[in-house]
Amino acid sequence: GQQLNQSPQSMFIQEGEDVSMNCTSSSIFNTWLWYKQDPGEGPVLLIALYKAGELTSNGRLTAQFGITRKDSFLNISASIPSDVGIYFCAGRSTGTASKLTFGTGTRLQVTL
Amino acid sequence: NAGVTQTPKFQVLKTGQSMTLQCAQDMNHNSMYWYRQDPGMGLRLIYYSASEGTTDKGEVPNGYNVSRLNKREFSLRLESAAPSQTSVYFCASTNPGGQRYGYTFGSGTRLTVV
Repeated sequence: GQQLNQSPQSMFIQEGEDVSMNCTSSSIFNTWLWYKQDPGEGPVLLIALYKAGELTSNGRLTAQFGITRKDSFLNISASIPSDVGIYFCAGRSTGTASKLTFGTGTRLQVTL
Repeated sequence: NAGVTQTPKFQVLKTGQSMTLQCAQDMNHNSMYWYRQDPGMGLRLIYYSASEGTTDKGEVPNGYNVSRLNKREFSLRLESAAPSQTSVYFCASTNPGGQRYGYTFGSGTRLTVV
């Protein structure tokens, strides 16, 4: 099946630092989504992207839909302790009955 | 707004026992999904139901069965649990035409098979 490579696998950063993570696919997607999972909870949608080249922000979060349609990037500016969690990318290609393929996740830890 | 409700939240089974994980959504979504989450593996699709009355296999269906009881409810059954099925199970729902909003997930069922 399709594979999404997400990197880095984990990050330890200091409060106030900016964070970048990315996701690459072996095939083209027409939708990219970024989710965050808090400990003991299900993933929650952060940002959705629908067009190649699209850049979308949600507060301190900014995500981009790569021009090749095979990658996406998520940036978090001025990180705070509540940013701790696992971030997942997910992609959807046409003809897949709305099924999403998820990346393996980036675990973010923020130190004071 | 309950969203997607999963029961139970925690379960311990002995090898060979059976159980059903329940999922219900109150958002009038057409499509529902079952995923499992294992360390380092992300979320892997077990089964999905694109609409009421249909079910299809996902990436890792072996050892599982599903039932789309009605539009609201989608259950996952383990007929003979194995230690390899120890995992966190998530149910999700969406409307294909409303895909702009992605999936809504439940809070998960943490299953341990001993």
